[in-house]
Amino acid sequence: EAGVVQSPRYKIIEKKQPVAFWCNPISGHNTLYWYRQNLGQGPELLIRYENEEAVDDSQLPKDRFSAERLKGVDSTLKIQPAELGDSAVYLCASSFDNEQFFGPGTRLTVL
Amino acid sequence: DQQVKQNSPSLSVQEGRISILNCDYTNSMFDYFLWYKKYPAEGPTFLISISSIKDKNEDGRFTVFLNKSAKHLSLHIVPSQPGDSAVYFCAARISSGANSKLTFGKGITLSVRP
Repeated sequence: EAGVVQSPRYKIIEKKQPVAFWCNPISGHNTLYWYRQNLGQGPELLIRYENEEAVDDSQLPKDRFSAERLKGVDSTLKIQPAELGDSAVYLCASSFDNEQFFGPGTRLTVL
Repeated sequence: DQQVKQNSPSLSVQEGRISILNCDYTNSMFDYFLWYKKYPAEGPTFLISISSIKDKNEDGRFTVFLNKSAKHLSLHIVPSQPGDSAVYFCAARISSGANSKLTFGKGITLSVRP
């Protein structure tokens, strides 16, 4: 069974540029999560989807971050414009029941 | 406000000995606790969990102990192996639903010396 797929794995951009991350969850997993992991910290939830509905986006900085999961399968997280403080690893996870399965993450560096 | 705390950033143990990783939490509403293991350039992988109705859960070399009165849990690895060297995250959730939000600690870097 394929795991959670994320792309790109690494991204380097200059501040004020836009950036997008893509995630394909494990087949059949209705719940999809986006986390941000800052250096030396644990993952922090940005948004959680149940199928195509965002059921918890309270931690998503909505002035510059947006996310979508149009068909309830894969998802895109966008930052526009990026700031220096957005440098982090962005993790996608999916679940069907109790256990969340994580992808390898996208390491974003904003210069 | 860190609701899940892993106060020791690193731990080094000799191969074959016991590794004890500690975690404290402040939110008394948490009722389900998990440990994740993370290798460099990979996402966290689930290791073991425990519900608040239990005080111990064992899976092979891994045992998690929960002390609800102290709001403390620990992960024991016996015997430790070099392949156990990784970052270990403690996580907790309020089980209003199986897919509810996880709150993670900062992680502990475990090094197992051959």
